[in-house]
Amino acid sequence: DAGVTQSPTHLIKTRGQQVTLRCSPKSGHDTVSWYQQALGQGPQFIFQYYEEEERQRGNFPDRFSGHQFPNYSSELNVNALLLGDSALYLCASSLRGSYNSPLHFGNGTRLTVT
Amino acid sequence: GENVGLHLPTLSVQEGDNSIINCAYSNSASDYFIWYKQESGKGPQFIIDIRSNMDKRQGQRVTVLLNKTVKHLSLQIAATQPGDSAVYFCAERQGAQKLVFGQGTRLTINP
Repeated sequence: DAGVTQSPTHLIKTRGQQVTLRCSPKSGHDTVSWYQQALGQGPQFIFQYYEEEERQRGNFPDRFSGHQFPNYSSELNVNALLLGDSALYLCASSLRGSYNSPLHFGNGTRLTVT
Repeated sequence: GENVGLHLPTLSVQEGDNSIINCAYSNSASDYFIWYKQESGKGPQFIIDIRSNMDKRQGQRVTVLLNKTVKHLSLQIAATQPGDSAVYFCAERQGAQKLVFGQGTRLTINP
């Protein structure tokens, strides 16, 4: 039973560039959310996708956008990268309707913006 | 509000001792809480959860206590092992998918 998988594991980009991160949810899960984790901090909620639509969003600018595909996998896109976007980006999945069940996280993509 | 915090950023214990990690939350309406363990280079790993209609829940070597009166959570780890060394986060659920995390407590196990 595959867990949440993310790619790539590491990425280096230059300020101003754009980046796309990918996530495949745990088998049987249909909902994906993305989190940003700065060094030494707890993860911060970016947004959630279900049925291919953004359902809930945290305090992140429009430079952060996403997509969910019919197979439930998801992408996170960040445009006009800033140095402050350097962080670990985590994808989490769950089954919609299982309110009191924990999110399952992937191991993240480490993004470095230079 | 988005203010799930932790009392101590670091905790060092002897192998075999019990560990207690504390967490304060501010949203009295929150009804679901989770503890995650995060090892270096990995994503958060689920440890144990608790609903607000419970005061205590036990797992394998772990116990979570919830005190709604003072809005406090704790994670107790019994007979700590070297593999327990990690950063521990409490999180409060707001909405179906949004978790609000604290800063984390780094637990170090001394041999």
